[in-house]
Amino acid sequence: DQQVKQNSPSLSVQEGRISILNCDYTNSMFDYFLWYKKYPAEGPTFLISISSIKDKNEDGRFTVFLNKSAKHLSLHIVPSQPGDSAVYFCAATVKGAEYGNKLVFGAGTILRVKS
Amino acid sequence: GAVVSQHPSRVICKSGTSVKIECRSLDFQATTMFWYRQFPKQSLMLMATSNEGSKATYEQGVEKDKFLINHASLTLSTLTVTSAHPEDSSFYICSAPRIRSNEQFFGPGTRLTVL
Repeated sequence: DQQVKQNSPSLSVQEGRISILNCDYTNSMFDYFLWYKKYPAEGPTFLISISSIKDKNEDGRFTVFLNKSAKHLSLHIVPSQPGDSAVYFCAATVKGAEYGNKLVFGAGTILRVKS
Repeated sequence: GAVVSQHPSRVICKSGTSVKIECRSLDFQATTMFWYRQFPKQSLMLMATSNEGSKATYEQGVEKDKFLINHASLTLSTLTVTSAHPEDSSFYICSAPRIRSNEQFFGPGTRLTVL
């Protein structure tokens, strides 16, 4: 039972254009969402997060949008740069010590930015 | 940002031997650490939660006698793969959240190859 889904295994974008990575979730208990970037043979690095009380969070070139009614979030990268080429993981959790800070990850989307 | 280290980064061992992987939070204390496993082209799979001062909690389907976890201090957790077999070959990653934070910081991962 995949609680966090990233249905696009890969995405190819031209340098300078917008990259949009999508993520859907099924567990309505999730109230905090994160995006991580991962290069091969390295651990994921945190990019941006959003709480369920918001519908948008922006940090430089990265913006995350959350649509709670649709249980959908997306990561926008603009403008895309070749260095953004990596695997992007969407993750979700339930705030609070009771849940133990566990993150549930999607399968990842490989982003390739062509120069 | 916070730094989490893992040692070793790569290990090759013979079938039947045991391998210990260390995860350290370098500039913050972590009462909880998480151990993940990533197969090629697949998502991060949470194996277990390492709890300082108490037993680890394992996810369904993960053999606790196979993957021994010890959270020796607020900055160190170890994962020991006992009697390793080729099917245990994988990329193992740990993460640690700061206390009272939803953000998790990941180690660089350990590539285990069992011959």
